[in-house]
Amino acid sequence: AQSVTQLGSHVSVSEGALVLLRCNYSSSVPPYLFWYVQYPNQGLQLLLKYTSAATLVKGINGFEAEFKKSETSFHLTKPSAHMSDAAEYFCAVSAKAAGNKLTFGGGTRVLVKP
Amino acid sequence: DTAVSQTPKYLVTQMGNDKSIKCEQNLGHDTMYWYKQDSKKFLKIMFSYNNKELIINETVPNRFSPKSPDKAHLNLHINSLELGDSAVYFCASSRYGGETQYFGPGTRLLVL
Repeated sequence: AQSVTQLGSHVSVSEGALVLLRCNYSSSVPPYLFWYVQYPNQGLQLLLKYTSAATLVKGINGFEAEFKKSETSFHLTKPSAHMSDAAEYFCAVSAKAAGNKLTFGGGTRVLVKP
Repeated sequence: DTAVSQTPKYLVTQMGNDKSIKCEQNLGHDTMYWYKQDSKKFLKIMFSYNNKELIINETVPNRFSPKSPDKAHLNLHINSLELGDSAVYFCASSRYGGETQYFGPGTRLLVL
């Protein structure tokens, strides 16, 4: 079984400030981990993924995430928020043993203040 | 060229009706999925097909029936629509055994 918990359903940051979105996962087998972003009334866009290579993963739009097995975490960060980062962010886990189905966290809405 | 496309984008219908949502991918992928996003933005998988064969069937009412005429298409037919079926339905695709799924723009279904 696999599950994902995202801490904080809403995060508010000032433009230029650090963005930190928290994600903890549970998986009985080695996981693949993902961050997706959803802009209003749009589909899901892949930001980055971890698939057992480097534990620090760089994605698009300046985002990165670090896989920490001991903490079962995959937190997403961006050093400097931009107004265009306002969106809903989803952490997800999958595993080959589970047919690669994605199990999503509840999402975190990011609001960027000017 | 849109990689994963869905039609229609919006669907408003009455309770009890039957409706279909179509999904097509031009990525050459073998595996396709349907996900449901509810009003609280929670996303959950419904079905997965690999090369026209059903491989994941989550706990979904049997009013929902996926159909895959070929590996580039995965349609979702819903019978006897209920108010609780109102949601956004996303189609996705991946290579067989591949971990990355690519999502369509979603179909917003509203049942009145």
